Amino acid sequence: DQQVKQNSPSLSVQEGRISILNCDYTNSMFDYFLWYKKYPAEGPTFLISISSIKDKNEDGRFTVFLNKSAKHLSLHIVPSQPGDSAVYFCAAIPAGGTSYGKLTFGQGTILTVHP
Amino acid sequence: ETGVTQSPTHLIKTRGQQVTLRCSSQSGHNTVSWYQQALGQGPQFIFQYYREEENGRGNFPPRFSGLQFPNYSSELNVNALELDDSALYLCASSLGRSVDYEQYFGPGTRLTVT
Repeated sequence: DQQVKQNSPSLSVQEGRISILNCDYTNSMFDYFLWYKKYPAEGPTFLISISSIKDKNEDGRFTVFLNKSAKHLSLHIVPSQPGDSAVYFCAAIPAGGTSYGKLTFGQGTILTVHP
Repeated sequence: ETGVTQSPTHLIKTRGQQVTLRCSSQSGHNTVSWYQQALGQGPQFIFQYYREEENGRGNFPPRFSGLQFPNYSSELNVNALELDDSALYLCASSLGRSVDYEQYFGPGTRLTVT
């Protein structure tokens, strides 16, 4: 049962253009969402997060949008740079209980930014 | 400040054997989580330790067990290895259990079971 889904295995974008990575979830108990970036031979690195009480969070070139009714979030990267080429994972955390830090990850999307 | 380190980097084991993977948390971090990442998949939560006590477990059988030591380093032990246990094992440490604390991942240990 894949509770967090990234339906696009890969995305190719030209340098300077916008990259949009999508993520859907099924568990309505999720209330905190994160994006991670992973380079080969390295662990995932935190990029940006959003709480379910918000619908948008920005950090420099990165913006995450959350549509709770559609159970959908997206990560926008503007402008895209070749150094952004990596695997991007979305992850979710359920509310309360003993589940702090129990991240449920999507399958990942490989982003390639061409010069 | 030293980041999260894991050892060994790569490991090859035979089905039925036992394996121990190690994680050294970032300084001051009292919480560690372990994840299994199969090829082409996202990481899957195995369990989390907070101040040496297990604090949540994912959908993994009891042959996956862990320890967290007083210095907050930790181990993941897997008994009776199966072929499907072949994966990248990641640990992540944080200052605490709250979502307010970022999890810092190590580079992982690649386990191959033959």
